Amino acid sequence: DAGITQSPRYKITETGRQVTLMCHQTWSHSYMFWYRQDLGHGLRLIYYSAAADITDKGEVPDGYVVSRSKTENFPLTLESATRSQTSVYFCASGPGQLDPQETQYFGPGTRLLVL
Amino acid sequence: RKEVEQDPGPFNVPEGATVAFNCTYSNSASQSFFWYRQDCRKEPKLLMSVYSSGNEDGRFTAQLNRASQYISLLIRDSKLSDSATYLCVVNIRRDNNNDMRFGAGTRLTVKP
Repeated sequence: DAGITQSPRYKITETGRQVTLMCHQTWSHSYMFWYRQDLGHGLRLIYYSAAADITDKGEVPDGYVVSRSKTENFPLTLESATRSQTSVYFCASGPGQLDPQETQYFGPGTRLLVL
Repeated sequence: RKEVEQDPGPFNVPEGATVAFNCTYSNSASQSFFWYRQDCRKEPKLLMSVYSSGNEDGRFTAQLNRASQYISLLIRDSKLSDSATYLCVVNIRRDNNNDMRFGAGTRLTVKP
């Protein structure tokens, strides 16, 4: 009954390596999101997904790839990690987008360091 | 100019004090507004929605001023446990989807 989980919680990698961050939710929410949080910038949307097999770009998608083959999972892949991708990554989910009052629920975050 | 701007603080206040944060947004098409709370090294959690008529939840009061495009959060009788970063969030509807934009946060420290 964890709600939304992320793995790994901490990751150190090297420039040029591929890294995949996992996100899993148990609420059957339609929508899932990936954000990155950097000092002074707040949370910025990378990608989001409205349903299985439907994904769309957010504010800062370059260098990232997502997929959503199952409703409950939304992995984020850094195809060739760069130092500028050092950040805290939050996954979020939400039940719908039709209601403007609908909000999002966040996972615990993954701290990624790219050396 | 950022879409959502907040004073980063930090605000250092004694226990029992009243403290207020403001947040301005640039997109007049913004439809809904929220305050989130984020503890150090934790995920953001919804604190309260902000309604046009203003709303209160215990010691917390949120106000919206559409004409001036700002929202505020007032915390009365501050507790040590209120120490956190408060994120202002604005929802801009685009193509029937919610596009939520987050401020960088205002850091509050409540001291004994």
